[in-house]
Amino acid sequence: DQQVKQNSPSLSVQEGRISILNCDYTNSMFDYFLWYKKYPAEGPTFLISISSIKDKNEDGRFTVFLNKSAKHLSLHIVPSQPGDSAVYFCAAKNYGGSQGNLIFGKGTKLSVKP
Amino acid sequence: EADIYQTPRYLVIGTGKKITLECSQTMGHDKMYWYQQDPGMELHLIHYSYGVNSTEKGDLSSESTVSRIRTEHFPLTLESARPSHTSQYLCASSVGEGFRTYSPLHFGNGTRLTVT
Repeated sequence: DQQVKQNSPSLSVQEGRISILNCDYTNSMFDYFLWYKKYPAEGPTFLISISSIKDKNEDGRFTVFLNKSAKHLSLHIVPSQPGDSAVYFCAAKNYGGSQGNLIFGKGTKLSVKP
Repeated sequence: EADIYQTPRYLVIGTGKKITLECSQTMGHDKMYWYQQDPGMELHLIHYSYGVNSTEKGDLSSESTVSRIRTEHFPLTLESARPSHTSQYLCASSVGEGFRTYSPLHFGNGTRLTVT
């Protein structure tokens, strides 16, 4: 059973508008969450992260929100740019699990249209 | 700019062949990982290493094997390739983790393997 779920396989947004990517998880032992971005034919690159003791983390145009009671996190990109078009993976770390084992979602493909 | 290098980028090979996927990093990271990803699916951990002479299997069962003789090098070997091994293989490294802290994985560009 999937522990990290990204229920939207794709999202299309107009340039300059806000992109909101969502992620749900089931394991209450997750203590750290990350978002990775992946371009075609490249490996994932780290984007932003948040500890389970926080509810918001911001880095430039990117903000991650964590709602522990709902077991939900979201990534906001404002304003969206065509270069943001990529697949975005949500990932979670389970403290005490295999060292460094991140549990990944299936990804959401974001298309930002000029 | 990649500090972790994977070769080859693409590999098409026949059933039964032995293959080795290379992974090297120049960051001095102790921890290295191999993930497997099929299109539209999650990344799954298949092997990891804490350091030289340390290797462990990940959560996804894999017929591949790994070795860690040098800190910077973490090759993955398939003794006899099969069509079911067709996938993308991603190598990664990191400094490590603690409670509520985490050093993000740094990924290579992957090897896309096709077994015919």
